[in-house]
Amino acid sequence: AQSVTQLDSQVPVFEEAPVELRCNYSSSVSVYLFWYVQYPNQGLQLLLKYLSGSTLVKGINGFEAEFNKSQTSFHLRKPSVHISDTAEYFCARVPRAGNDMRFGAGTRLTVKP
Amino acid sequence: DTGVSQNPRHKITKRGQNVTFRCDPISEHNRLYWYRQTLGQGPEFLTYFQNEAQLEKSRLLSDRFSAERPKGSFSTLEIQRTEQGDSAMYLCASTFGAGGHNEQFFGPGTRLTVL
Repeated sequence: AQSVTQLDSQVPVFEEAPVELRCNYSSSVSVYLFWYVQYPNQGLQLLLKYLSGSTLVKGINGFEAEFNKSQTSFHLRKPSVHISDTAEYFCARVPRAGNDMRFGAGTRLTVKP
Repeated sequence: DTGVSQNPRHKITKRGQNVTFRCDPISEHNRLYWYRQTLGQGPEFLTYFQNEAQLEKSRLLSDRFSAERPKGSFSTLEIQRTEQGDSAMYLCASTFGAGGHNEQFFGPGTRLTVL
């Protein structure tokens, strides 16, 4: 069963526009949630993570995500994107009592001038 | 530190051959993970090590796959009798400490093509 669903496989957007990349997860246990980014020809890098506490999490490069327990979502947002944000973005979850990280299929963000 | 490194970066092999990949984690990291990523999909967890002990294996890791981390530093992933379905990017990641909440640092991957 799919544990992490990224609702959009591709998101094209113009430079300086806002963007939201959607992620829903399913789990019968409490989880930690992550967003990773993969730039062309590079390894995955952590953008941000939710462990506990405030549901709004701020990450690197101006990205933020909001944990919504009732909707089991962890959407990623940025108010104004740059060309350099063009990359593949992966949402992931790990059970709090486990170690197997499960990733969504990814969302390719393309920022156009 | 230069981060997680993986060798080779690309491997082309014929069906039925054996292949071995190497991962060198960040030096002080005690945990090492292997993932497989196919086109259009996110990474899929294969296995992980805490120091030299292999603590968990996914059901994706068939008996043709074996991973080792003999001295708790570098790790190898071997695939025996490769099949075309093994074609994928194989990713390695490392982290320090215990628990799934820690950031994993990923290597650039080894792309395997089985002809």
